[in-house]
Amino acid sequence: GENVEQHPSTLSVQEGDSAVIKCTYSDSASNYFPWYKQELGKGPQLIIDIRSNVGEKKDQRIAVTLNKTAKHFSLHITETQPEDSAVYFCAAKTNFGNEKLTFGTGTRLTIIP
Amino acid sequence: DSGVTQTPKHLITATGQRVTLRCSPRSGDLSVYWYQQSLDQGLQFLIHYYNGEERAKGNILERFSAQQFPDLHSELNLSSLELGDSALYFCASSVGQVKETQYFGPGTRLLVL
Repeated sequence: GENVEQHPSTLSVQEGDSAVIKCTYSDSASNYFPWYKQELGKGPQLIIDIRSNVGEKKDQRIAVTLNKTAKHFSLHITETQPEDSAVYFCAAKTNFGNEKLTFGTGTRLTIIP
Repeated sequence: DSGVTQTPKHLITATGQRVTLRCSPRSGDLSVYWYQQSLDQGLQFLIHYYNGEERAKGNILERFSAQQFPDLHSELNLSSLELGDSALYFCASSVGQVKETQYFGPGTRLLVL
């Protein structure tokens, strides 16, 4: 089955700097890669996603890049703000058979004012 | 607000007991997924229902069962509860099976004493 690894597990950046979180996946059939943000006491919130026919996608300060050959994808947050502090999860899914999302282990991002 | 609702928000019970968690998907969504989030296991897929039918099972214990009703709400039943079942249980919904985007509810925090 699919295995998703996520690094780093914790990340602290100064407010205004950029943050990068990286994930690798094992199943070459995976073709959908969402990123979720989870704040304390809340459910995961989808912030951006990318499909395997696209190499990069951007939404304001957030961008995701995908390298299918290397089987890794990354989340980039620019001009970080205190409200970006949260736990971020990457995930991967195939369209064949099981429709489940396989999640990475999460990155706790702390923005230092 | 994702549009997915879960009740109850918190549940405290004793070992050996049985509980039922409820989920209402977003309006129009036919798929419901259940996930368990514990500190040492991250987000783990339990089960997927589509329009009332079970579609996929993940790491769901035999003591756990779920169903999706004609009005598309879903219930997750946990029985013979053990201390290790203490976790956050999330429900997510999506439009269909292949439409990948899953929206998560706020979760139910279960504490087994």
